[in-house]
This record gives sequence, structure tokens and C-alpha cells, in this order.
Amino acid sequence: DVKVTQSSRYLVKRTGEKVFLECVQDMDHENMFWYRQDPGLGLRLIYFSYDVKMKEKGDIPEGYSVSREKKERFSLILESASTNQTSMYLCASSPYGGGVEQFFGPGTRLTVL
Amino acid sequence: GENVEQHPSTLSVQEGDSAVIKCTYSDSASNYFPWYKQELGKRPQLIIDIRSNVGEKKDQRIAVTLNKTAKHFSLHITETQPEDSAVYFCAAKRRGAGNMLTFGGGTRLMVKP
Repeated sequence: DVKVTQSSRYLVKRTGEKVFLECVQDMDHENMFWYRQDPGLGLRLIYFSYDVKMKEKGDIPEGYSVSREKKERFSLILESASTNQTSMYLCASSPYGGGVEQFFGPGTRLTVL
Repeated sequence: GENVEQHPSTLSVQEGDSAVIKCTYSDSASNYFPWYKQELGKRPQLIIDIRSNVGEKKDQRIAVTLNKTAKHFSLHITETQPEDSAVYFCAAKRRGAGNMLTFGGGTRLMVKP
């Protein structure tokens, strides 16, 4: 059973703070993803990683960075949080290749005050 | 890049009726189309997918159809039940290597008992 876990379910931060969101998967998946979910906008890809230390920008990378130092862990970093980054953040992982299922974490609801 | 449009944004049906959700995509090179279901407060989970070499796929009460010429695909749920109430997302795999998906905006399905 694939398990994707995220460090927090709920997080409240202040404008300007540096925020770290952590994601861990236990299935040795090569691909990992960070999405942002907002009502009516679906899931929008922030960053994608296909291997350790490798990353690609998604559709909305501005204001975010990522780190993948180990295969099982993918971190999303908000360098200076802003109120427009208040959202639900979902991590996902999948095996190598295209056209394969993505397994999602439970999500982190981030509120920036 | 790929663009995926999903309609309707909300859908209310009586228990036992059928529900249809439609998506269109822009990139003719897309070859994999998954559907994810997200129950309230839960993570998205894959319910069915279809590849571009197939026109239709069924799994019990759910089916997906694909029209490559028109670049649209649809999810059909028959004999709806209250537990089908959720948000449904369609997606299309982007061209190129990797497993990046572009998601539609989501459809909130409500099944009234």
C-alpha cells in the first residue's frame, strides 16, 4: 500500500515567514510532485522532480522553491510567504514513466496571515 | 502547453440516475487521461484512466470515453449512489517524458438520496 505523508495537515504562518512543507513517500517512486489546490482551479502543478536533486518548474513556480536531497523526500519552500499563497498544498508521487497513477498525500492547508 | 477544460463545475443528480462529466484538452499529443475522485477532506484517488489507443473503458458503474479527433473525453457514472458524492478531476498527460499531468478545474457531484 503506497503511503505518501505530509508533515502538517494545517499550518498558520505570518506574511514574510519562510515556510517548509515536507512530503515523504515509502514506495521508492522516482517522480514526486507539488500541487496547489484552489476551488474552481483544480490542481495546479508547482514543481516536479524526477530524481534526487532534479527538478522542473510547473505552471506556477513563482514564489516557491523545492528540494529533493533524498529519493523519498520532497520539500516545498515558500521563501517569503504572502497572503495569496493561502491554499491547500498536495504532494504526489508516481513510479518512473508516463501514464502511470499518481498517489497523493493528505494535503496541507496553509493559511498566511 | 496543455489546457484542460472541465464541465460542469457542479452537478446534482438523484440517486439511481446517471452522471456525465466532460473534459476537453488542447494538445493532440496527449496520450493518457486519468480521472481522480476526491471525497470531502480526503486525498484525490485514481478511479479510472484511458490511453489514446482505446476509445472506451469500463469498470463496474463507471466508464470513460475518449474522442481523439474532437479532443474530448467524458466520465460516465451509472446508477449513482450517495457515496459517489465527491469532487471529480479529469487530467491529461503532457507531451514529453515524465508523468506531468494537467488537471481540469473539477466537478462537484452531489447525489441526492
